[in-house]
Amino acid sequence: AQSVAQPEDQVNVAEGNPLTVKCTYSVSGNPYLFWYVQYPNRGLQFLLKYITGDNLVKGSYGFEAEFNKSQTSFHLKKPSALVSDSALYFCAVSSLKFYFGTGTSLTVIP
Amino acid sequence: SQTIHQWPATLVQPVGSPLSLECTVEGTSNPNLYWYRQAAGRGLQLLFYSVGIGQISSEVPQNLSASRPQDRQFILSSKKLLLSDSGFYLCAWSLLTDYNEQFFGPGTRLTVL
Repeated sequence: AQSVAQPEDQVNVAEGNPLTVKCTYSVSGNPYLFWYVQYPNRGLQFLLKYITGDNLVKGSYGFEAEFNKSQTSFHLKKPSALVSDSALYFCAVSSLKFYFGTGTSLTVIP
Repeated sequence: SQTIHQWPATLVQPVGSPLSLECTVEGTSNPNLYWYRQAAGRGLQLLFYSVGIGQISSEVPQNLSASRPQDRQFILSSKKLLLSDSGFYLCAWSLLTDYNEQFFGPGTRLTVL
């Protein structure tokens, strides 16, 4: 069965500090992995995806994610957090359908 | 460019009333279409998906139904709403391969009283 896990419900980080939002996955076959961001009362916005190739994927708004096959992880990162990054973040894996994690609420403290 | 529309944006309905939420996609052909429900601002529950006109797959048995009368139109319906149907409903589309991302609409906030 395909699934993703986001072990942290809430992550707090100070503005200007690096941020990491964690995601681990379980898939049979090739993993197609995605990150989305959701602002209050809005739809999800696509940030980045891993299909194949370079393990470090760069996406929108300065975000990047590192695919680690041995640890079955796909953590989202940003070198310097902004207050405007405060939102709900979802990891997902695709295998005919999308399987979303339960979301991590990121708060960037000014 | 592609765009996805949902309406209405918000809806307040009494228990037992019918429901119709509409989703349309512009700028692409033969997309996969999806309905999700998000409760309490958290996890997404896939309700229905469609790979073509008239082709609907249901993920969770419930009192909701979906239809796809046209290539880029996806409708979520109910004959009688329950209190538990309250939530944030999201429509999404994608191209027909696993490695293509889904694009989400702005959502409909449904409150059943």
